Amino acid sequence: GEDVEQSLFLSVREGDSSVINCTYTDSSSTYLYWYKQEPGAGLQLLTYIFSNMDMKQDQRLTVLLNKKDKHLSLRIADTQTGDSAIYFCAERDSSASKIIFGSGTRLSIRP
Amino acid sequence: NAGVTQTPKFRVLKTGQSMTLLCAQDMNHEYMYWYRQDPGMGLRLIHYSVGEGTTAKGEVPDGYNVSRLKKQNFLLGLESAAPSQTSVYFCASSNVGIYSGNTIYFGEGSWLTVV
Repeated sequence: GEDVEQSLFLSVREGDSSVINCTYTDSSSTYLYWYKQEPGAGLQLLTYIFSNMDMKQDQRLTVLLNKKDKHLSLRIADTQTGDSAIYFCAERDSSASKIIFGSGTRLSIRP
Repeated sequence: NAGVTQTPKFRVLKTGQSMTLLCAQDMNHEYMYWYRQDPGMGLRLIHYSVGEGTTAKGEVPDGYNVSRLKKQNFLLGLESAAPSQTSVYFCASSNVGIYSGNTIYFGEGSWLTVV
């Protein structure tokens, strides 16, 4: 079945760039998503990328998709304390019905 | 526009009790989902629905039942609650269409504790 994997933790210094990585197994994924979850809150959609794209940029966020390696990354430029959260990678399967999430990467910011 | 609303937000159950979580969306979305979130395991899909009157099993369906009698509502039932079902439950809904990104909208979560 489909599987999405992420590392559990990432620590970066304030002002540096953060890169959160994700791998997935479903080669026929249609959309891939990045969600942000702050403590005690629900999930907030950050950005998404269609599977025929390689890159998408939105202000401080850059998403890179390598379909050959089934690798997705999220780069946050100039990381701020407000970026501290859990970031989830997710993929929508080829039937477009199921959405499978990774385990989430907890991003912490060092002063 | 309320989006996706879950009730109740918090509940404590005794082992063996039953309860129903209600999810309501006002965006006329076809697809609805129930996930559970546990530490270190991300969100795992319990059941989902691709339209009124339809339901399907996700990754972890055992111990749960669902119903989608109306398009706007998706109910998650626990017939006999177990401590292993202590979790945070998230409902989500989604539109369809390649130009929309099939964006998924989440509720705020329901914290369930089974003692």
